[in-house]
Amino acid sequence: DGGITQSPKYLFRKEGQNVTLSCEQNLNHDAMYWYRQDPGQGLRLIYYSQIVNDFQKGDIAEGYSVSREKKESFPLTVTSAQKNPTAFYLCASSPDRGTYNEQFFGPGTRLTVL
Amino acid sequence: GEDVEQSLFLSVREGDSSVINCTYTDSSSTYLYWYKQEPGAGLQLLTYIFSNMDMKQDQRLTVLLNKKDKHLSLRIADTQTGDSAIYFCAESSGSARQLTFGSGTQLTVLP
Repeated sequence: DGGITQSPKYLFRKEGQNVTLSCEQNLNHDAMYWYRQDPGQGLRLIYYSQIVNDFQKGDIAEGYSVSREKKESFPLTVTSAQKNPTAFYLCASSPDRGTYNEQFFGPGTRLTVL
Repeated sequence: GEDVEQSLFLSVREGDSSVINCTYTDSSSTYLYWYKQEPGAGLQLLTYIFSNMDMKQDQRLTVLLNKKDKHLSLRIADTQTGDSAIYFCAESSGSARQLTFGSGTQLTVLP
């Protein structure tokens, strides 16, 4: 089955700890994205990558870091510098089809910082 | 920057039609999309429309686009309880390979 997987589904961490969220896709998509979702605020873009070994900051990159060493993997690290990290995190990927940008989403990871 | 706006809540009776509205500001939008999110899950693409179209129909879904007013709507005919979810509109433009999402509309279908 082709798709995007995120793990774990629920994650609990103590304040001040870094945590890494996993995102893997076997769709052979070039582009991958990380979004943060808070109630009533829609999706906000954290980072995106259009190709291996390259990534760009989104609208709310402060306190987050990413890597793109392999086409199929785009892990997100939430650092202790992120002031309010409790949220639902969504990973997505898309093939390169010009201006048509259908994004395929993973099931999400709910991070709670205690 | 680009902005996409939606109302936050909509309630309808089962069997009625639902209309979810969206406005956007980017006049260079090439495609506009409707995504559905069920509780605790990721988003799933429902339908999309190219900016040179004004209507698209797909089974129970009808998308209307008024490019002059930058207004997009999604009509769901014969709404069922399984349609209860959050619906997001989104737009893409240019070569930025990004989507701009609205805040989402929580649709509640009452029996």
